[in-house]
Amino acid sequence: EAGVTQSPTHLIKTRGQQATLRCSPISGHTSVYWYQQALGLGLQFLLWYDEGEERNRGNFPPRFSGRQFPNYSSELNVNALELEDSALYLCASSAIGTGGDGYTFGSGTRLTVV
Amino acid sequence: GQQLNQSPQSMFIQEGEDVSMNCTSSSIFNTWLWYKQDPGEGPVLLIALYKAGELTSNGRLTAQFGITRKDSFLNISASIPSDVGIYFCAGQETSYDKVIFGPGTSLSVIP
Repeated sequence: EAGVTQSPTHLIKTRGQQATLRCSPISGHTSVYWYQQALGLGLQFLLWYDEGEERNRGNFPPRFSGRQFPNYSSELNVNALELEDSALYLCASSAIGTGGDGYTFGSGTRLTVV
Repeated sequence: GQQLNQSPQSMFIQEGEDVSMNCTSSSIFNTWLWYKQDPGEGPVLLIALYKAGELTSNGRLTAQFGITRKDSFLNISASIPSDVGIYFCAGQETSYDKVIFGPGTSLSVIP
């Protein structure tokens, strides 16, 4: 069974540009979670999508947004990139109502803003 | 907002030694989780704890859910080189709430 897949693996953007990150959940999982992992800061919760709807949002500015498609895959969009947006962005999936003990994480997208 | 603190921030130990790390919270959680992240990978769940005072083992790993519900501990016995990585504690109020992660403890094992 395929795990959670994220693309691209690495992404380099210039300050002010937009970045789009993609996540495909495990088959059968309807919930997708996005986390930002900046150096030394652990994982910071960004967004939770389930059944195409945004269910919860972390303390991030509106230029961080996303969506979930009918096949449950998800996109994270970051507009007006800033240098401090450089981080590893992790996606996790789970069945709805499953707690963190049911999360499966992908390997992440390393975003570098120059 | 909710915040988790982990200590120590990093550890360098000899192979075969036991390891202890802990996690404290500014608020109460109903579920405590411990994850491990290998370089270049996403975190993988090691142990989940659901009840105050609960002590759970997974091989050489043992974790405890603190009585106050504001802390948790992870112990690794007889460390081996493959234990190297970053260990994260995480808390969750209900399965429909976001999972809050600590900043991590980086473990290095010297052969």
